[in-house]
Amino acid sequence: QQQVKQSPQSLIVQKGGISIINCAYENTAFDYFPWYQQFPGKGPALLIAIRPDVSEKKEGRFTISFNKSAKQFSLHIMDSQPGDSATYFCAAPSGKLIFGQGTTLQVKP
Amino acid sequence: SAVISQKPSRDICQRGTSLTIQCQVDSQVTMMFWYRQQPGQSLTLIATANQGSEATYESGFVIDKFPISRPNLTFSTLTVSNMSPEDSSIYLCSVEKETQYFGPGTRLLVL
Repeated sequence: QQQVKQSPQSLIVQKGGISIINCAYENTAFDYFPWYQQFPGKGPALLIAIRPDVSEKKEGRFTISFNKSAKQFSLHIMDSQPGDSATYFCAAPSGKLIFGQGTTLQVKP
Repeated sequence: SAVISQKPSRDICQRGTSLTIQCQVDSQVTMMFWYRQQPGQSLTLIATANQGSEATYESGFVIDKFPISRPNLTFSTLTVSNMSPEDSSIYLCSVEKETQYFGPGTRLLVL
């Protein structure tokens, strides 16, 4: 069973700060790495995804960094806002999506 | 992208009863997935449903407990049978179109 290890489990950031969430995977046969954002009472929504042939992808305040040799990828949220407070899941597809354990982000005003 | 709807959005059920959850997609898709998300936990895949074939269940999930139908390329149902309080969870439908998209979920509470 392939695993994706996500850290930290929870994160508190001041408004305007940078939120960083990390994921490590075990298998190299993944063709993309998505991040999902889930608000309470909602289903997970695709936030941003990166392909393994790219080292970084930026969409607005959200950036994925990918380190293939270390088998790690991370999500950076720049200028974090209270509206970013949610649970974030990384995932890696290997025939099926394997999810990390989730990170609960709280951005304090 | 894909727009996914689920019915019901939430329900409270009695122990021993069954609930069927419906999932509708706005376009034809080959693969549909059903997930369970227990309170405060990550997502666990229950089964993969392809049109015209039997669903494929993950370890720990069986067809008698979670029968799935996939009558066409835009619709699927998941039934949670003979429910117990341990089945209280969010059940999520998902489809793959280049990447994977999720429905809003069905919040089930079993008393």
